[in-house]
Amino acid sequence: GAVVSQHPSRVICKSGTSVKIECRSLDFQATTMFWYRQFPKQSLMLMATSNEGSKATYEQGVEKDKFLINHASLTLSTLTVTSAHPEDSSFYICSATVGGTTDFNSPLHFGNGTRLTVT
Amino acid sequence: QKEVEQDPGPLSVPEGAIVSLNCTYSNSAFQYFMWYRQYSRKGPELLMYTYSSGNKEDGRFTAQVDKSSKYISLFIRDSQPSDSATYLCAMFRGGYNKLIFGAGTRLAVHP
Repeated sequence: GAVVSQHPSRVICKSGTSVKIECRSLDFQATTMFWYRQFPKQSLMLMATSNEGSKATYEQGVEKDKFLINHASLTLSTLTVTSAHPEDSSFYICSATVGGTTDFNSPLHFGNGTRLTVT
Repeated sequence: QKEVEQDPGPLSVPEGAIVSLNCTYSNSAFQYFMWYRQYSRKGPELLMYTYSSGNKEDGRFTAQVDKSSKYISLFIRDSQPSDSATYLCAMFRGGYNKLIFGAGTRLAVHP
């Protein structure tokens, strides 16, 4: 089945530094990838939709200058948390589908997430 | 009011029990419904995927959708300790960029 790989699985960084998280589709080409954020015991909240070769679409309330998304190829999207602060500490999860945003026969597959801790 | 309501639990059952997990929703435009299982510190794993109303069965899992009541369920038969995880319902009305998740129900199956 479709596999989405996310790296790193865990990162600790100091306040003010930037952190890059990678999301790869291993056995399929993903024209669209999604980035979610999950706080402890809470649900997944969509941050942005990443489209290969174009700018990401951010959800309301998500700072695009703080959460930089790049989708340079059909198998790789990156999320960079710039000037991280303790309140950015969270579980970040990417997902992808073979068919894009409206192909309902191609379910959404998730990476294993990245736990970011900002000290 | 949240678009999707899901009791966070925790729900604790003995091994072999039948588990019923539920979500309610407010938007009648939702048409596609999914159940994901999430183990601690892992990404969600798709379990079941249904369209519109009706039942769908896959092994020990049965997904049920009642659009008239805006209510969806996931049943787990003969529950196992390995089923212990958080179960998230998800649904969408447009594309995947409009996927809405429930808060997740934590399930513990004890031997």
